[in-house]
Amino acid sequence: GQQVKQSSPSLTVQEGGILILNCDYENDMFDYFAWYKKYPDNSPTLLISVRSNVDKREDGRFTVFLNKSGKHFSLHITASQPEDTAVYLCAAGYTGYQNFYFGKGTSLTVIP
Amino acid sequence: GGIITQTPKFLIGQEGQKLTLKCQQNFNHDTMYWYRQDSGKGLRLIYYSITENDLQKGDLSEGYDASREKKSSFSLTVTSAQKNEMAVFLCASSINWGVNYAEQFFGPGTRLTVL
Repeated sequence: GQQVKQSSPSLTVQEGGILILNCDYENDMFDYFAWYKKYPDNSPTLLISVRSNVDKREDGRFTVFLNKSGKHFSLHITASQPEDTAVYLCAAGYTGYQNFYFGKGTSLTVIP
Repeated sequence: GGIITQTPKFLIGQEGQKLTLKCQQNFNHDTMYWYRQDSGKGLRLIYYSITENDLQKGDLSEGYDASREKKSSFSLTVTSAQKNEMAVFLCASSINWGVNYAEQFFGPGTRLTVL
């Protein structure tokens, strides 16, 4: 089965708004969680990541929240901007095992 | 800084043909990956390699071979191309897991079309 799931294939938000992207995972051994951003015709790049020893990590307008008991993590984007328009991929893995699992992605559109 | 290059950028093959995709990185990263990206299916891991001459199967390894002859390069072979197959193959690399968050750096991709 799919190890990492993104339930929303697409989201649209008005510029300046707050949005939340969600990701659920199956394997409770996962201890590393990440969000990658992908522009059309470009490759994914790491946006933000967090280890399982914390439940939150903030980097500017981007915050990752981790809920290990619920096997869920989310990306919160504040003050959204048109340049945030991209596909966001969540991903997870665990220490000692180099395999890495990506979700299918959520296509975000920020309307000016 | 560093860069990952993939060749070719576009690959057109015939059904049943054996096709090879190449990837080079100059990050001096230990681990390299091959992913397949299909529309609506996200990234799926085909093979990865944690060091020179190492190979590990991902969830999508059937129908593919891989080779890591040296640290900087990782090649992927489609053993028998399937008719009407279209996908983008992404190569990535990262330093060893135990050292860092294992951020993966991706190449620009090879777009495969099978006629």
